[in-house]
Amino acid sequence: AQSVAQPEDQVNVAEGNPLTVKCTYSVSGNPYLFWYVQYPNRGLQFLLKYITGDNLVKGSYGFEAEFNKSQTSFHLKKPSALVSDSALYFCAVRRDTDKLIFGTGTRLQVFP
Amino acid sequence: ETGVTQTPRHLVMGMTNKKSLKCEQHLGHNAMYWYKQSAKKPLELMFVYNFKEQTENNSVPSRFSPECPNSSHLFLHLHTLQPEDSALYLCASSLQRQGQAQPQHFGDGTRLSIL
Repeated sequence: AQSVAQPEDQVNVAEGNPLTVKCTYSVSGNPYLFWYVQYPNRGLQFLLKYITGDNLVKGSYGFEAEFNKSQTSFHLKKPSALVSDSALYFCAVRRDTDKLIFGTGTRLQVFP
Repeated sequence: ETGVTQTPRHLVMGMTNKKSLKCEQHLGHNAMYWYKQSAKKPLELMFVYNFKEQTENNSVPSRFSPECPNSSHLFLHLHTLQPEDSALYLCASSLQRQGQAQPQHFGDGTRLSIL
């Protein structure tokens, strides 16, 4: 069965420092992986996806994610964090053609 | 502007009331979804509609009744709800094509409180 795990409930980082939000996955077959962000009182917004090709995927707002097949990971990264990046981040894996399985979410707190 | 509009944004209702949540998308998508988001719990997929046909019902209690009259509109009819049904209900849509993995686009949700 397809699944994703986000091992950290919260990540704290100082503004200007690099950030990493972790995600590991378990799939049968090729993984189709996604990252979403949720700001307070808003729905989820798509950040980026990995389907195939380059292991480093670039997305919105300066975020990128690194796909690592041997470690079954798809960590979200940003070279320099902003206070406005503070939000809830979800990793997801495609289950069927039209369904996603979401992780439990990681709250990112960026301190000035 | 998310492209997916949900109304109302907030709803307070008693356990004996009947109400409906509405979702509308004008993105040309052919699949629509209802999710339930509760505090400290994973996002729960409730229903999936593909080309107006329901393709998933994740053991959702019958007090939740979905309706998809066309590819642009999705409703969630509520009746005789329980306090544990208080949550944020999110609608999403996507363009499904064989062999592709398109992202889902979410509305901003309806915050539902059951008294």
